[in-house]
Amino acid sequence: DAKTTQPPSMDCAEGRAANLPCNHSTISGNEYVYWYRQIHSQGPQYIIHGLKNNETNEMASLIITEDRKSSTLILPHATLRDTAVYYCIVFNAGGTSYGKLTFGQGTILTVHP
Amino acid sequence: NAGVTQTPKFQVLKTGQSMTLQCAQDMNHEYMSWYRQDPGMGLRLIHYSVGAGITDQGEVPNGYNVSRSTTEDFPLRLLSAAPSQTSVYFCASSNRHEQYFGPGTRLTVT
Repeated sequence: DAKTTQPPSMDCAEGRAANLPCNHSTISGNEYVYWYRQIHSQGPQYIIHGLKNNETNEMASLIITEDRKSSTLILPHATLRDTAVYYCIVFNAGGTSYGKLTFGQGTILTVHP
Repeated sequence: NAGVTQTPKFQVLKTGQSMTLQCAQDMNHEYMSWYRQDPGMGLRLIHYSVGAGITDQGEVPNGYNVSRSTTEDFPLRLLSAAPSQTSVYFCASSNRHEQYFGPGTRLTVT
């Protein structure tokens, strides 16, 4: 699976958009981009995933560049409860690999009042 | 749905003791995994299963055994606990694109 690079930490003001970048320059054609987050010491929580097109759900938006070498997770109106570690994971969800996520260090997002 | 449940929430073991961490899911997912997370680190995959009767090793399998006799349950056994196994253990089940994690078991080995 392709390796990802994320900034170790970011800050955001409450109510503003949080834009979390991720580089995955070695991504292959059948690999998806996934985002998870971990709040304090809870289990990680799935946020969103995408292959080529931009995606949006009730939690966030995912913007993937045309060459697929980088992506940005957007939390449109960050709240204090969005303070967490955010993990960008590139992964081939085919075959028997469904449960084999590789978590890096992630980005610690701190939302300030 | 309860989702993914793990028991116990906390456990203290002495070196050399054995125990089983329980994990159950009610979402009828074929795929289940065990991860460990050490302080300040990301999660590392211990073992995973792609269905009942099928298991395989992840990144850090030494010292752990698993079995998958039913779709719902995926217990993790520590054979002879060591201080290096002090960690938080997360179980997860997944469909193709979403992995659902349990609340974790915090294990301390003294």
